[in-house]
Amino acid sequence: KNEVEQSPQNLTAQEGEFITINCSYSVGISALHWLQQHPGGGIVSLFMLSSGKKKHGRLIATINIQEKHSSLHITASHPRDSAVYICAVPSSITGSARQLTFGSGTQLTVLP
Amino acid sequence: SQTIHQWPATLVQPVGSPLSLECTVEGTSNPNLYWYRQAAGRGLQLLFYSVGIGQISSEVPQNLSASRPQDRQFILSSKKLLLSDSGFYLCAWSGPTNEQFFGPGTRLTVL
Repeated sequence: KNEVEQSPQNLTAQEGEFITINCSYSVGISALHWLQQHPGGGIVSLFMLSSGKKKHGRLIATINIQEKHSSLHITASHPRDSAVYICAVPSSITGSARQLTFGSGTQLTVLP
Repeated sequence: SQTIHQWPATLVQPVGSPLSLECTVEGTSNPNLYWYRQAAGRGLQLLFYSVGIGQISSEVPQNLSASRPQDRQFILSSKKLLLSDSGFYLCAWSGPTNEQFFGPGTRLTVL
């Protein structure tokens, strides 16, 4: 079964700073997901990527399939970016891509 | 566009009482459906998933069950709640791309 590790567990930044959150996994995958969980609990899918890089606004996600590693970057961070960021990967290389294993999340706090 | 609904939003139930949480999806056909639980301070745990009406796969043995009576309806149930069932329950759906989209969640407190 895939093991997922995220770092850091907690991150506090000043508004405007560049943020990086890392995710490593143990078993080869077809795609990796980055999710954002707001303080109220709601979860939003930010990215699903299988190679290279994706960009959406101030968010950039990269993945290195050979190294089994992905990063989520936030440029010009803002207090509204404060949330828990979660990466998720398929649970096993032979199992369905529908079944995901989730990282423990990174709690990001951006101070004004 | 697709939307996913869950209700109730919050629920407080005594130990031993039954449970029924409902999830419905609009704007898509034959979605894959999922129930997740997030215990306090813990990560997301997949409880059940369904690839079609009446087809349920269970990931974790427990006193919960799931049913899919219609294509876009997914129900999570229990006959007798335990204290350990407290948590935040999320329903999600996915289509052919396997990207998952989450509902607003139900916060369950078992007393």
